[in-house]
Amino acid sequence: EVQLVESGGGLVQPGGSLRLSCAASGLTFSSYWMTWVRQAPGKGLEWVANINQDESLKYYVDSVKGRFTLARDNARNSLYLQMNSLRAEDTAVYYCATVNGGFWGQGTLVTVSS
Amino acid sequence: EIVLTQSPATLSLSPGERATLSCRASQSVSSYLAWYQQKPGQAPRLLIYDASNRATGIPARFSGSGSGTDFTLTISSLEPEDFAVYYCQQRTNWPWTFGQGTKVEIK
Repeated sequence: EVQLVESGGGLVQPGGSLRLSCAASGLTFSSYWMTWVRQAPGKGLEWVANINQDESLKYYVDSVKGRFTLARDNARNSLYLQMNSLRAEDTAVYYCATVNGGFWGQGTLVTVSS
Repeated sequence: EIVLTQSPATLSLSPGERATLSCRASQSVSSYLAWYQQKPGQAPRLLIYDASNRATGIPARFSGSGSGTDFTLTISSLEPEDFAVYYCQQRTNWPWTFGQGTKVEIK
């Protein structure tokens, strides 16, 4: 059974940083493009960033470019999202998923507030 | 950025009825369009990819059609578990984008 388990969310002040992690199991992690998708409370979905299998390609939505950084460790079957200079509008549930949309984690809530 | 517009915003139907959801793109996305179902407190679930292909394990009552700028998700006969929010999503150009969602509610 495929599992994607996010962690690292929480409450952070504006301007602060958080690092989200996503632990994958039940799939050949190193074969998949991976992504982060977020959903603000009561709102729709927003595709945030993609990373390819060997980290040579990364794509970010404009609103997070320069503040968020994607990384992965294929040996540890893990995906990471380093989030710096956080803003109130970054408040959301962050989901990790395979880029083809077939597998999703349960999400981790990030709240940016003073 | 490609904007996806879904209609209607809310669809009020009874179990057993047919649901027809629309997604219109601001420019052609070829057939690179997916549909997701989301229930409260849950992650999205992939239903349809590349406009008309059912994802693994998705019942045959779900079907997708369209290409270019106009797409449709059809649920042939609503089951109680189908009442949820549905999103379309394009993966033609970065940034990939979602529509704003259609809520299918029980009438």
